[in-house]
Amino acid sequence: GAGVSQSPSNKVTEKGKDVELRCDPISGHTALYWYRQSLGQGLEFLIYFQGNSAPDKSGLPSDRFSAERTGGSVSTLTIQRTQQEDSAVYLCASSLARVDTDTQYFGPGTRLTVL
Amino acid sequence: EDQVTQSPEALRLQEGESSSLNCSYTVSGLRGLFWYRQDPGKGPEFLFTLYSAGEEKEKERLKATLTKKESFLHITAPKPEDSATYLCAVQILTGGGNKLTFGTGTQLKVEL
Repeated sequence: GAGVSQSPSNKVTEKGKDVELRCDPISGHTALYWYRQSLGQGLEFLIYFQGNSAPDKSGLPSDRFSAERTGGSVSTLTIQRTQQEDSAVYLCASSLARVDTDTQYFGPGTRLTVL
Repeated sequence: EDQVTQSPEALRLQEGESSSLNCSYTVSGLRGLFWYRQDPGKGPEFLFTLYSAGEEKEKERLKATLTKKESFLHITAPKPEDSATYLCAVQILTGGGNKLTFGTGTQLKVEL
């Protein structure tokens, strides 16, 4: 079946501009996650959505970052007033959020370059 | 603070030369330890989940094991197509939600 999809695959923007990154999770997955992978660093958790619960925003690095999930499916990560340090690959993952096992399946990522 | 450390950072093997990758972790309570494979320009691909010390899982040339402090990914008779970055991640029991905490990965290169 279809996996997690993300768009765009690449985004180049100028410092100070806003960007929106999109994630389509696997159908039926109730949990959705955003991670960031910077050069030479591990994947860093950003935000987590589970059903209708309030999202876990504990990983967002600043108030320039926000995310929403509409209709329990598609999610958009928005970065306002982008800075050069925001350059990274942004990865989305989804899961069934089962209690016993919660394997997260990742999309291909969006590579963001801030000039 | 939960920590995951992977070693070595990079590993170069000849085809058929078996080896092991290490993932050591310090967490308040382990819910699960995950191994992923990541090819350049792609997202991580799920390999295994381990839940308790002593557990082992196998898939083709890969075998993952778990103790109370670390996990090993054993690669038997590797082939060039096994070249990738292997990522280890942990999920904790309480207070962490379902987020994964990742190590920085081991970059594996298998040569003919």
